[in-house]
This record gives sequence, C-alpha cells and structure tokens, in this order.
Amino acid sequence: SAVISQKPSRDICQRGTSLTIQCQVDSQVTMMFWYRQQPGQSLTLIATANQGSEATYESGFVIDKFPISRPNLTFSTLTVSNMSPEDSSIYLCSGWTDNTGELFFGEGSRLTVL
Amino acid sequence: AQSVTQLGSHVSVSEGALVLLRCNYSSSVPPYLFWYVQYPNQGLQLLLKYTTGATLVKGINGFEAEFKKSETSFHLTKPSAHMSDAAEYFCAVGRNYGGATNKLIFGTGTLLAVQP
Repeated sequence: SAVISQKPSRDICQRGTSLTIQCQVDSQVTMMFWYRQQPGQSLTLIATANQGSEATYESGFVIDKFPISRPNLTFSTLTVSNMSPEDSSIYLCSGWTDNTGELFFGEGSRLTVL
Repeated sequence: AQSVTQLGSHVSVSEGALVLLRCNYSSSVPPYLFWYVQYPNQGLQLLLKYTTGATLVKGINGFEAEFKKSETSFHLTKPSAHMSDAAEYFCAVGRNYGGATNKLIFGTGTLLAVQP
C-alpha cells in the first residue's frame, strides 16, 4: 500500500490567519487529491493537485481560499487562507495508485479555528 | 453525474450478529465502487472495491459487498460483528474524469456501533 504522511496532525488557529498543510507520498502515487471532512460529515473533494501547474478545483472551492502546490510527484501543500470558524475541519491528503487502482489517505490534519 | 446514498447514519449490532450497511449509487456510466473504514482519529482505509468482473467482492477483516446493478446497490456485510469493527464506514463511487475513476464521491457515512 502507498504511504501518505501529513503534517501537522492537528492545530488550533486564530481567525484571520492562514495555515499550510504538508503531504508527502511515496512513489507509487500518480495523482494527489485534497479532501475536507467537516465535523460529523462526509468527505468533500477540494481539488486535484497537479504537478507543476495550478490545481483543479471542485465547485465551491477557489484558489484564493485554498491555494495548493505540488512542486514534484511526491509532495503537495494545501493552505487554508484567512481562516474562519467555518473552516474547522479535517483536511485529508490522498493519493491514487494506478497499479492497484486504489485511493489511499493520510491520517488527516484536524484544524480548529477560534 | 454520480452520487452515493448511505441509508442509516447510525447502525448498532450485537457482537456476533450480522452487519449490513447499505449503499445505493447513481451513475450514468458503469461505476467503480468502494467501501472505506475510518477509525477514530485516523484516516480512511480501503475495505474493498468493485471495478469489473465478479459482483461479490471480498475485502479485509471479513467484510464483503455485492454489486447489484439492477438495484444500483453495493451493500456491505459481515457475518459476525466484532467489537473492533466499531468505526465509521463510507461508500464511494469512482467518477469518470478523462477516462479515469480516481476522483471519488463519498456517501455521508454510517457509524457502526457494536454492543457486547
């Protein structure tokens, strides 16, 4: 199985600040995605992280709020900008492996915005 | 467009009893279907998946699911629940994107409780 590491695992942030989450995957991963899991809810796809180019965002998510980078095949960052309490969620990095046709997840970054 | 509906946000069973978690999907193309499990404070782990071929799929920890096209269902079952099965379970459908199915749409999840 693919190994996906995220940090920080959790953080408490002040309203109006920004936080960057880092995700490191192993070499089996071909595509990387970022999901959000709001309290008590399911996972919502934020965007596809594209290597060396702008991420592809899903409806309802914009680059100004969630800038994403993927400078190489195995690393990506998600920034949550100008945070408000509504951004309190678990943010999950995931990676798809073509050889097994599976989507693997990191353990998530639990953000609390005060 | 594709979507997933999980019936029952909370399911409680006794240890040793049958586990049945329901999932129905909507898809305009043949779907790829997945079940994931999430233990507290952890990420998601793949239980099993259906892509093509045999409609009864066996996964880890004794779980299995059957793809029924006529019913647009992919229910998850386990003959005998164990205390360690207590977790949240998510059904997901693969969404075609340039021919790939790696962008998954998730259901709202079912929290399984196992009573001693």
